Amino acid sequence: QSVLTQPPSVSGAPGQRVTISCTGSSSNIGAGFDVHWYQHLPGTAPKLLIYVNSKRPSGVPDRFSGSRSGTSASLAITGLQADDEADYFCQSYDNSLHVWVFGGGTKLTVL
Amino acid sequence: EVQMVESGGGLVQPGGSLRLHCAASGFRLSDYWMGWVRQAPGKGLEWVANLKEDGSEKFYVDSVEGRFTISRDSANNSLYLQMNSLRVDDTAVYFCARWKLWFGEVSHFDSWGQGTLVTVSS
Repeated sequence: QSVLTQPPSVSGAPGQRVTISCTGSSSNIGAGFDVHWYQHLPGTAPKLLIYVNSKRPSGVPDRFSGSRSGTSASLAITGLQADDEADYFCQSYDNSLHVWVFGGGTKLTVL
Repeated sequence: EVQMVESGGGLVQPGGSLRLHCAASGFRLSDYWMGWVRQAPGKGLEWVANLKEDGSEKFYVDSVEGRFTISRDSANNSLYLQMNSLRVDDTAVYFCARWKLWFGEVSHFDSWGQGTLVTVSS
């Protein structure tokens, strides 16, 4: 059971917009700790997608955006492309458990 | 180009040991906080251990405290994870990753390796 809760799967057609939620609690996201997002194709190195809630590293297209509000965060992907199909993980810090925590991951399927 | 390549995974019996190696290139390990993260089959990611950039502090998730040791060889620009008293629930892909600081605090991983599989089974 992951400390941060994500939907196991989301899907969308090419060109559509999808969002992936990351729900935490008052000891992590709700305490003001930043949320970061990673894209992972199994068998490869995970890739940083969004850091500090809404910032994009260089090279990440602006189709990817992040937000944080209250005890939750969201990753939005617009203009879905076939190569967006991957697993997506959120990450934050929990000051009750004193560990860095991840969501369980969301598998994005492009229909 | 920043790159990290893990090795040393494999099949080990419960109670056994393994030493994971992360070979870093394109940057100096001793300039960064480094970490190990694992992903059990069908599960999410789990932070395992951290090493401060100057080597002075090490942090572990409770489930591996006392069994795992994170270390570094600056001359070879390599990170290690010594895993002892391995348990079936340590079975996972283990990733090494580089931390990025944000306003002086450990924040997010900006680079990862591709992982190495550790299977603990009799």
